[in-house]
Amino acid sequence: EADIYQTPRYLVIGTGKKITLECSQTMGHDKMYWYQQDPGMELHLIHYSYGVNSTEKGDLSSESTVSRIRTEHFPLTLESARPSHTSQYLCASSPPQGQPQHFGDGTRLSIL
Amino acid sequence: SQQGEEDPQALSIQEGENATMNCSYKTSINNLQWYRQNSGRGLVHLILIRSNEREKHSGRLRVTLDTSKKSSSLLITASRAADTASYFCATDATGANSKLTFGKGITLSVRP
Repeated sequence: EADIYQTPRYLVIGTGKKITLECSQTMGHDKMYWYQQDPGMELHLIHYSYGVNSTEKGDLSSESTVSRIRTEHFPLTLESARPSHTSQYLCASSPPQGQPQHFGDGTRLSIL
Repeated sequence: SQQGEEDPQALSIQEGENATMNCSYKTSINNLQWYRQNSGRGLVHLILIRSNEREKHSGRLRVTLDTSKKSSSLLITASRAADTASYFCATDATGANSKLTFGKGITLSVRP
C-alpha cells in the first residue's frame, strides 16, 4: 500500500527534452529523498530535502534539480535529457530522525 | 566507497531452507536497516536495528548487529518462493541526519 506516489512509472523520451518526475507523499513527512538506481545496482542519493524550501545535493552528482514548495510534493527536473540520464529514479520520505524511509515504486526513465 | 557491503552478491536456495545475508559497514552508526526490493518496484522496509541492540526479530526475519565488527546479518527462516527479491542493508551513520547509505544488494532466489 503506497503512501508515496511517483509518476510516470515509465518514460521513454528523446534527447534534449525537458522532463519532470513527480513525487508526492500523504504522510506529512518533512524529509524527502531522490535516489538513482541502475538495474541490479545500489541506490545513489542525488537530492534530499528536510522541509519546505530546503533542498540539498546528495552524494552522487546529478544534472537534475529539485524543488520543495509544498511538504507533500518533491518534483525532480531535467532541463535537457541525455542518454546518460537513463536510469531508475526512486523517491522516498521519512519521519523524524532514525525512522525508516518509505519508497515510491520509481520512474524508469529511458532517453533515446 | 559504499558504507554498506553485502555478501553474498547472489544466493539461490530451495524453498523451506534458511537464507543468511551479511552486511559490513565502515563508520559509526545510529542504526542499520534492511530493505527488500521486488523487481521493478521500490524498496520496502523490513527491519531496523539500533546501535545499542544486538538482535531483533520480526516474523520469519532475524537481524543481528555486531558494532565491534561493524557487521550485521539478516536471516530469513523457512524461505518461500515469494521471498525472491533483492535485499539491501542501509546505514544511518552518526551525524548523517537520517541520510541512508545503501549497499549493492543481495539477489535472493528461492526455488519452489
